[in-house]
Amino acid sequence: AQSVTQLGSHVSVSEGALVLLRCNYSSSVPPYLFWYVQYPNQGLQLLLKYTTGATLVKGINGFEAEFKKSETSFHLTKPSAHMSDAAEYFCAALAPTGANSKLTFGKGITLSVRP
Amino acid sequence: DAGVTQSPTHLIKTRGQQVTLRCSPKSGHDTVSWYQQALGQGPQFIFQYYEEEERQRGNFPDRFSGHQFPNYSSELNVNALLLGDSALYLCASSSYRGWWGYTFGSGTRLTVV
Repeated sequence: AQSVTQLGSHVSVSEGALVLLRCNYSSSVPPYLFWYVQYPNQGLQLLLKYTTGATLVKGINGFEAEFKKSETSFHLTKPSAHMSDAAEYFCAALAPTGANSKLTFGKGITLSVRP
Repeated sequence: DAGVTQSPTHLIKTRGQQVTLRCSPKSGHDTVSWYQQALGQGPQFIFQYYEEEERQRGNFPDRFSGHQFPNYSSELNVNALLLGDSALYLCASSSYRGWWGYTFGSGTRLTVV
């Protein structure tokens, strides 16, 4: 069974600072990996995903993530935080075993951005 | 192009009652998955429907049941509601063949009192 670990529940950065949100997975085979963002009282919006190919993935709103198989990690970064980035961020994994496997989510990280 | 539509957006029910939540998938999608997101937690997979059949199920009791209609829309039913069923219920649609990702709705916030 696969699992996703997001260390820490809350990250606070200053506006303009680097954003780093960590995600590690545990799976018998490397899964497909996703980062979602959730604003208050809203659903999940896909930021980026890794399936195959290039391990550095660029997403929306200036976010990117790098798949590192040796570290079983898929950390999310953004060079310069903006106030509008304040939200809940979820890392998720999907077994690449066939169409429509279920997503396994981490517990999420709340990102706060200080002026 | 409309995305995933869920209704209602908010709902308050009493313990022991039954509730039905609805989901219309994104145009072109034929598969619907349901997730429960408790406060402060990540979404947990409930079940998935394709061709009007339950294809996969997570670790949820039989009080949770669902249905998919010929137009691919879906319902989630929860019987004998418990306080612990209070959560945001998210619907995600996808295409069973040629899968390329899930699209999530905005969810239904269920409060059980």
